[in-house]
Amino acid sequence: AQKVTQAQTEISVVEKEDVTLDCVYETRDTTYYLFWYKQPPSGELVFLIRRNSFDEQNEISGRYSWNFQKSTSSFNFTITASQVVDSAVYFCALSESYTSGNTGKLIFGQGTTLQVKP
Amino acid sequence: EPEVTQTPSHQVTQMGQEVILRCVPISNHLYFYWYRQILGQKVEFLVSFYNNEISEKSEIFDDQFSVERPDGSNFTLKIRSTKLEDSAMYFCASSPGRHGSPLHFGNGTRLTVT
Repeated sequence: AQKVTQAQTEISVVEKEDVTLDCVYETRDTTYYLFWYKQPPSGELVFLIRRNSFDEQNEISGRYSWNFQKSTSSFNFTITASQVVDSAVYFCALSESYTSGNTGKLIFGQGTTLQVKP
Repeated sequence: EPEVTQTPSHQVTQMGQEVILRCVPISNHLYFYWYRQILGQKVEFLVSFYNNEISEKSEIFDDQFSVERPDGSNFTLKIRSTKLEDSAMYFCASSPGRHGSPLHFGNGTRLTVT
């Protein structure tokens, strides 16, 4: 069974602090994809990054970085020098391969609400 | 950049009424999805749709729900006989269907059942 766990329900930081959002996943598939989405207060779901199960290289995009570790089934997201505009709910999600009968659907974690205070 | 559009943005209905939520997916996408998010909770998968039929559905997607792609562009979610607990944000999403493609989400329809 596939499952995504984001143990941190809410995080509050002061602007310019670094913050890491944790994501742990479960899957029996050997081929899968992991995603992060951002949901700002306006409510839409914004795609941030995708990672496939064969690529454990960390990725950096501006102030955002992602650490994928298969050994611990984790895909953590770090925001460096956080800004007020980073305040949002962040969702980690998992998609298994089509060969396992999956239709490309995403299974989301519970989300982490990040509040960045000025 | 092409986007998924959903209408209406907010729908208020009385318990027991039928509602239809509409979505226009990105034109060259092949897979379509509906998700639900009850206020403050996680985003839950309802159904996926491919080649004009349901390809997968969750246990939430019971006989009360149906989906349709009536004209090759719109993708609708119908909820028959709405209940109070159907109040939620409903998101439509589409994907080109390549393995591991991210889902592109619409801005959602907030459904309020009174």
